[in-house]
Amino acid sequence: DAGVIQSPRHEVTEMGQEVTLRCKPISGHDYLFWYRQTMMRGLELLIYFNNNVPIDDSGMPEDRFSAKMPNASFSTLKIQPSEPRDSAVYFCASSTRANTEAFFGQGTRLTVV
Amino acid sequence: AQKVTQAQTEISVVEKEDVTLDCVYETRDTTYYLFWYKQPPSGELVFLIRRNSFDEQNEISGRYSWNFQKSTSSFNFTITASQVVDSAVYFCALSDPNAGNNRKLIWGLGTSLAVNP
Repeated sequence: DAGVIQSPRHEVTEMGQEVTLRCKPISGHDYLFWYRQTMMRGLELLIYFNNNVPIDDSGMPEDRFSAKMPNASFSTLKIQPSEPRDSAVYFCASSTRANTEAFFGQGTRLTVV
Repeated sequence: AQKVTQAQTEISVVEKEDVTLDCVYETRDTTYYLFWYKQPPSGELVFLIRRNSFDEQNEISGRYSWNFQKSTSSFNFTITASQVVDSAVYFCALSDPNAGNNRKLIWGLGTSLAVNP
């Protein structure tokens, strides 16, 4: 199994631009999670989906952030417009219905200048 | 409120030493899960272990062992005969019972372990 696949691995963008991060979960996993990791706040859960439906988006910082999961094998996290304080590593993770542990992708390092 | 404390921010040891990473948690729930993840310098998060609140048996996997004690709300992780490849940030996490299905995790801030040759 290829594991959770995220793209791009690195993204540098200018303030105000739209950024789209992509994730392909492990096949057969029912849950998908988007996390953000910064030095100041550590790991934060932004949103998670169950069977493509958003369950809890209470961690999404503000309206500039949105996430979609159009099918079981693809999800996006969009930031529009981006700001320098959005600079972080964004992780996607997935898990099965039976087990609570999540398996993480390699992350996308986002830098907003 | 639920909380995970990893009091050791950084630990440095010499190869072959044993090292214990501490994790103390707070929760009012009786059913919960505890996790350890490893984040090597390459950046990905690697799942190591899950333990549910009803299973207090210690777990050993090769050089890794975990000591779960509900009486002290601790879930400590020991690496025996450490190796340079063990150098990483290690995170302890607790499932949030208020979030349903134990899917939402509360994370500690991590312990950065450096194993020197």
